Amino acid sequence: QQQVKQSPQSLIVQKGGISIINCAYENTAFDYFPWYQQFPGKGPALLIAIRPDVSEKKEGRFTISFNKSAKQFSLHIMDSQPGDSATYFCAASTNNDMRFGAGTRLTVKP
Amino acid sequence: NAGVTQTPKFQVLKTGQSMTLQCAQDMNHNSMYWYRQDPGMGLRLIYYSASEGTTDKGEVPNGYNVSRLNKREFSLRLESAAPSQTSVYFCASSGGLAAYYEQYFGPGTRLTVT
Repeated sequence: QQQVKQSPQSLIVQKGGISIINCAYENTAFDYFPWYQQFPGKGPALLIAIRPDVSEKKEGRFTISFNKSAKQFSLHIMDSQPGDSATYFCAASTNNDMRFGAGTRLTVKP
Repeated sequence: NAGVTQTPKFQVLKTGQSMTLQCAQDMNHNSMYWYRQDPGMGLRLIYYSASEGTTDKGEVPNGYNVSRLNKREFSLRLESAAPSQTSVYFCASSGGLAAYYEQYFGPGTRLTVT
C-alpha cells in the first residue's frame, strides 16, 4: 500500500502555463516533504522541499503548497517551459524512511 | 568530483544467478541508500546505511543484502535473482538523516532477470 499518493500520472501543459501536481499522505510522522525531478536515463534530483511548519515555499518558478490538516501537498510550476518536461516525484520522510509517490510525467508543449 | 557513481549501467541475469551492484560516493557523506524504481511504483527503499558500519532494512529488503564496505562504498547483492527483481536500481547518499539532508542519486543500474 503506497503511503504517498500522487496525481495525475501524466500531465500535458502548454508553454507558459501552470503545471500542478498533487500528493497526499497518511502517516502524520512524516516531517519532510521533498519533490524530485527526473529526466530520462538519469537519477532523480532534488527540486524543492518543505517542512510541515510552513504552508508554502517558493523557489523561482516552483512553489510547494502544504496543507497539514488535509495531509496534502502540491507542486506548482509557473510559466512552464519545454525544459521542464520530466517525471516529478513527491516524497515524504521521517528520519531515513523516505516514501515516494508513483510519479507524474510532465510534458510541456512549445 | 563525480558525486555518486554506480556500476554496471546495464545487466542481464538468468533466474538464480547472483550479482553485486556497486555504488561509491566522493562527497564524504555519512548516509547511503539503495532504491528500486518500477513503473507506477515510484522509488522504493531497499536498504540504507545511516553511517559506516551500520545497515538497516527499508520498505522492500527481501531478496537483497547490502554491505557498507567503508564510508565511500555501499554495495547491493542479489544472491539468487528472480524475474520480480527486474528493475532500475538507484544508489543515493546524503550528509545525514534523509529527513534533514538532501539525497544525491547516482545514474542507476538497469537490471533484467530472465
